[in-house]
Amino acid sequence: EVQLVESGGGLVQPGGSLRLSCAASGFTFSSYWMRWVRQAPGKGLEWVANIKEDGSVKHYVDSVKGRFTILRDNAKNSLYLQMNSLRAEDTAVYYCARTTFSGGMDVWGQGTTVTVSS
Amino acid sequence: QSVLTQPPSVSAAPGQKVTISCSGSSSNIGNNYVSWYQQLPRTAPKLLIYDNDKRPPGIPDRFSGSKSGTSATLGITGLQTGDEADYYCGSWDSSLSAFVFGTGTKVSVL
Repeated sequence: EVQLVESGGGLVQPGGSLRLSCAASGFTFSSYWMRWVRQAPGKGLEWVANIKEDGSVKHYVDSVKGRFTILRDNAKNSLYLQMNSLRAEDTAVYYCARTTFSGGMDVWGQGTTVTVSS
Repeated sequence: QSVLTQPPSVSAAPGQKVTISCSGSSSNIGNNYVSWYQQLPRTAPKLLIYDNDKRPPGIPDRFSGSKSGTSATLGITGLQTGDEADYYCGSWDSSLSAFVFGTGTKVSVL
């Protein structure tokens, strides 16, 4: 079964750090671009970051540039999001998603919740 | 960074049809593929349409997608109560080097 499972969310103080993980199974992880997408409470979907199959190309939404880093370990079939200098506005459910060649996201994880609050 | 515009809500009676528009620009919809996502309450999004008009396996043909110029449309026919959800369009934006989602549309079945 093709599956993505996120972990690592939690409560963190403003200015703190958190590392999210996404474990992939049931497909050849190293053959796909991967993404992180987030959804703040009561809000719409927001793309956060992209990473190419081999990790050589990354893109970020402007609001997280310089604070977040998307990483992958193809040997471990895992995707990560290192989040530093967290702000209240980063509070959201974070989803990892598999990306098709044309850019659509065809497999999603269940999401992990990040709450930034003092 | 919602540069794709959707109506906030649409509604119709069971069995009827609804359409959801998604308006963008030449840097996104005009020159890149559009995908559509369904998000049922308290669940992760699900891919409904990719490459403008293609359905993944398991998605019924009641759902359809189309694109013309810098706009795209999602159609749902034979509306069912189980279709009540939020729907989002999305496309890569070549100018921003970012994936952009639409503002989202809530579908209600009267």
